[in-house]
Amino acid sequence: QQQVKQSPQSLIVQKGGISIINCAYENTAFDYFPWYQQFPGKGPALLIAIRPDVSEKKEGRFTISFNKSAKQFSLHIMDSQPGDSATYFCAATYTGTASKLTFGTGTRLQVTL
Amino acid sequence: EAQVTQNPRYLITVTGKKLTVTCSQNMNHEYMSWYRQDPGLGLRQIYYSMNVEVTDKGDVPEGYKVSRKEKRNFPLILESPSPNQTSLYFCASSFVGRTNTGELFFGEGSRLTVL
Repeated sequence: QQQVKQSPQSLIVQKGGISIINCAYENTAFDYFPWYQQFPGKGPALLIAIRPDVSEKKEGRFTISFNKSAKQFSLHIMDSQPGDSATYFCAATYTGTASKLTFGTGTRLQVTL
Repeated sequence: EAQVTQNPRYLITVTGKKLTVTCSQNMNHEYMSWYRQDPGLGLRQIYYSMNVEVTDKGDVPEGYKVSRKEKRNFPLILESPSPNQTSLYFCASSFVGRTNTGELFFGEGSRLTVL
């Protein structure tokens, strides 16, 4: 049972465009929603995270939008760059910490010139 | 340098030959976990440990064993590997409790092929 559903599976965006990755969850007890970025040959690394008491969090070109009533959250990458090409995973946990994270299936982003 | 170290990074083995993938972290993290990454399935948790001598099953524990005898080490044991355990494995660690930052630190992965 996939508790966190992520889409799209892959995404191609032109340089300077906006990349949008969506996730939906089922467990209303989830209280911490991080996004991880993974480059080829490397382990995932925390990119940005949000807790359900806010609807949006922005760090540089990366923004998480969170809709508690719809049980959805999304990652927006503004002014996408070729260096952003990576696989992105959304995740969620009910522990409020990094433990017991449930990950989405991942989105492979390619930013073209 | 703060890091999670996995060994081996690459391994080809045959069905039934016991193997151990080691994981060590130097950040004094209480929490450690193993994930496997498969195309289209994302990262799935195998086992996790909240502290020394405390381990629990994740979502896909069948065919795997773990132990946590020391805080820094969390080896993954495949007693009798099968081809469906061919995968990319990641070890990860983090703080818990008041020192928790919410960040999970991953190793660089161990690619295992079982023939």
